[in-house]
Amino acid sequence: GAGVSQTPSNKVTEKGKYVELRCDPISGHTALYWYRQSLGQGPEFLIYFQGTGAADDSGLPNDRFFAVRPEGSVSTLKIQRTERGDSAVYLCASSVSREDGYTFGSGTRLTVV
Amino acid sequence: AQTVTQSQPEMSVQEAETVTLSCTYDTSENNYYLFWYKQPPSRQMILVIRQEAYKQQNATENRFSVNFQKAAKSFSLKISDSQLGDTAMYFCALIWGAQKLVFGQGTRLTINP
Repeated sequence: GAGVSQTPSNKVTEKGKYVELRCDPISGHTALYWYRQSLGQGPEFLIYFQGTGAADDSGLPNDRFFAVRPEGSVSTLKIQRTERGDSAVYLCASSVSREDGYTFGSGTRLTVV
Repeated sequence: AQTVTQSQPEMSVQEAETVTLSCTYDTSENNYYLFWYKQPPSRQMILVIRQEAYKQQNATENRFSVNFQKAAKSFSLKISDSQLGDTAMYFCALIWGAQKLVFGQGTRLTINP
């Protein structure tokens, strides 16, 4: 597609529920990144995919968070047993090379009530 | 660890004025890239300008320019002839060999009519 697409745009879920956030990167971009942005803060790195494999998952806060990219394009961020502290905007980005910077989607605002 | 610091949480100027946003960073790498991103209320991070650390010449993109001081590890953004559409959060970011952007805390810029 022309840009990075993230769905849903907004998600409200109850504490303890499971959620999936989807990212559709720009066609041909082999690198895909997930970031989390809390209110009034800069984005914080979660995980980076190069192709199908997670090249760096050092930013995932705990084992409730998991992400996949099975065919090297679309990625899904999965959060189990959601907590109120998981409420944030989850941003996805893709890139061809680090020199060009990343192209970001509009994010998914997750609210855990 | 690589860090990026933006010391101005908020700034406000009148339309058509020039404004400078500050950013300092810390890295032990020699080969890195610096970026300024704009985030309007739509949430999408938009790349404004980028600078390669090995280039001494400051980057310029239309009304946007940077003052890159490598020895001081400073990377400020100057917006000339500011417009109402420049109102947004601005984030400074750094990337090096690990290929993940590290962001500052952001500066909220308001352009007043």
